[in-house]
Amino acid sequence: DAGVIQSPRHEVTEMGQEVTLRCKPISGHDYLFWYRQTMMRGLELLIYFNNNVPIDDSGMPEDRFSAKMPNASFSTLKIQPSEPRDSAVYFCASSPGQAGYGYTFGSGTRLTVV
Amino acid sequence: KNQVEQSPQSLIILEGKNCTLQCNYTVSPFSNLRWYKQDTGRGPVSLTIMTFSENTKSNGRYTATLDADTKQSSLHITASQLSDSASYICVVSKNSGGSNYKLTFGKGTLLTVNP
Repeated sequence: DAGVIQSPRHEVTEMGQEVTLRCKPISGHDYLFWYRQTMMRGLELLIYFNNNVPIDDSGMPEDRFSAKMPNASFSTLKIQPSEPRDSAVYFCASSPGQAGYGYTFGSGTRLTVV
Repeated sequence: KNQVEQSPQSLIILEGKNCTLQCNYTVSPFSNLRWYKQDTGRGPVSLTIMTFSENTKSNGRYTATLDADTKQSSLHITASQLSDSASYICVVSKNSGGSNYKLTFGKGTLLTVNP
């Protein structure tokens, strides 16, 4: 199993541009999570999906952020327009079920907005 | 407010020495507590996960303890190796009824093991 796969690993973009981060969860995992990590705030949950349906997006900072999960094997996190304060590492994680065992993180996308 | 506090914020030890990292939490109702290891430039990797009824769990040279009464956990690393240099994150899961996926993350302890 290749684990949770995120792309790109690094992204540098100019302020105002649209950024799309991608995630492929582990096959068979029903839950998918998007996190943001910064030195100041640590890991923060942005949104999570269950069976491709968004369940809790209360962590999404503002309307510039949106996430989709069109099928069980793919999710995107989009920022439009991007701002320098969005610079962070964005992680995707997936989990097989209720017990929380097998909760697995991807390697992250380091986003820099200049 | 549900919080997870870790100490120390950073720690430097010599290779071969033992160390203990601390985690205090106020998350309630409690579901489980996890310790993750995060290497630089990588995602967090689970070391242990403990439920209310478990007070100790080992994974190789890593031993986690949990005192659900005092809401404290520790992660003990024995005979440290250079590869143990990483950030160690304590994560507490809140029992939210049908779903226990509201995780609260500590900010981590940055461990540096020097030769």
